[in-house]
Parts: sequence; C-alpha cells; structure tokens
Amino acid sequence: DARVTQTPRHKVTEMGQEVTMRCQPILGHNTVFWYRQTMMQGLELLAYFRNRAPLDDSGMPKDRFSAEMPDATLATLKIQPSEPRDSAVYFCASGFFLSDRVGQPQHFGDGTRLSIL
Amino acid sequence: DQQVKQNSPSLSVQEGRISILNCDYTNSMFDYFLWYKKYPAEGPTFLISISSIKDKNEDGRFTVFLNKSAKHLSLHIVPSQPGDSAVYFCAASATQGGSEKLVFGKGTKLTVNP
Repeated sequence: DARVTQTPRHKVTEMGQEVTMRCQPILGHNTVFWYRQTMMQGLELLAYFRNRAPLDDSGMPKDRFSAEMPDATLATLKIQPSEPRDSAVYFCASGFFLSDRVGQPQHFGDGTRLSIL
Repeated sequence: DQQVKQNSPSLSVQEGRISILNCDYTNSMFDYFLWYKKYPAEGPTFLISISSIKDKNEDGRFTVFLNKSAKHLSLHIVPSQPGDSAVYFCAASATQGGSEKLVFGKGTKLTVNP
C-alpha cells in the first residue's frame, strides 16, 4: 500500500533552534496538508498545497512557521525560531482532489513528534 | 468555537457488542463527513465517509448514520472487536469552502474489552 512518509519521526531540540519536518506524499496525489495535533486543540490544519502551490496557510503562525513544496515529492514545514509551545505531533496528509469530484479522503503519515525544551 | 464536537472522550464496550460513537456539528454548510481511526504512534486512517445526500453508509462492520436536521452523525461498529480499540475522529468539510479542507473533532477513545 502506498503511504505518506514523514521524517523525522521524533525530534527533541532546544528553544530557539530551527526545526525542519519533511513529508513525501503519495505518488500521484495533487494536494498536501500539514496538521498539528495537541491535547488542547486536537487536529488543526496549518496549511495546504494544490499542485505545489499554497492554497491556504491561515492556520499557521506566520512569524515563525513556513511551509513549502520544493517539488512534487517533498513538502517541508519549518519552525524558526522554535518555542516550547510548538511541542506537538505534526502530521502530513495527501490526497487527490478535483473540483468536480468531492468526497475524497486524505491519507495521513505517521507524524513527527516534536519536543521543544 | 468548535464546529465539530465529539462529546464523549472515551467509550468502553465488550467484544461482540455494538459500539456507537457520536459526533455533532454546527456549520450547516458541511456536506461531507468522514470517520478516521488512529492507533498510538500512527497517523489517522480513513475508515468510512458519507455525503449529505445520504443518511446511511455501510461498509462491513461499520455503518455511519447522518441526521442533517439534528446536525448529528454516528458511527456504529457491529460486532466490536479488540482490534477496534483506537481513537476515532469525526471530520467534516464544506464543498463550497473547498471540499478538501477538513475540520476534525477531538476524538473518542474506544476500548473493546475481550
């Protein structure tokens, strides 16, 4: 079965350091999502891309977070500088969506567990 | 303001019995609903979905019911098995707002006891 691959699976670093999380979406999927999961807020959408172009990043703190898709096989989420409140599990998901075909599920990776000390 | 609510953080049932997980939503524009299952240290896995033009969708042991007037949906698992023990997330999207954008509930942890 094709899967979304996320690296690293775990990351522990000190406050102020740059953090980069990577995602390889499922081949052929045209839409990539970044989510953050915390106990308090649950699963929150941070940003998403269609055909590598950013569509919505309204859920992302703009001052320290950035998301890019350098190519169709790689999506990145960066935090600079990182803060303890960024500690969470970050999930990437991908899917194939067309405007005339609604109702397609998103497929999730296994997440990056981030701890900022 | 939570648009998708799962009011029961946890549910415990006996193996072989029915599990019923509930979800309420507030946004009347939502027209597509999904259930995801999540095991520890793994990502959510798509389970079953339903469009607002239907009131029921069935896939094996899993059935989702939608009551649009009450803005309520439920997931029935019959019979429940120990391997069903996981966190279940309800999610919703609005076609007009971009069908790919999902809003998730906070999840219900299901424990199926042997």
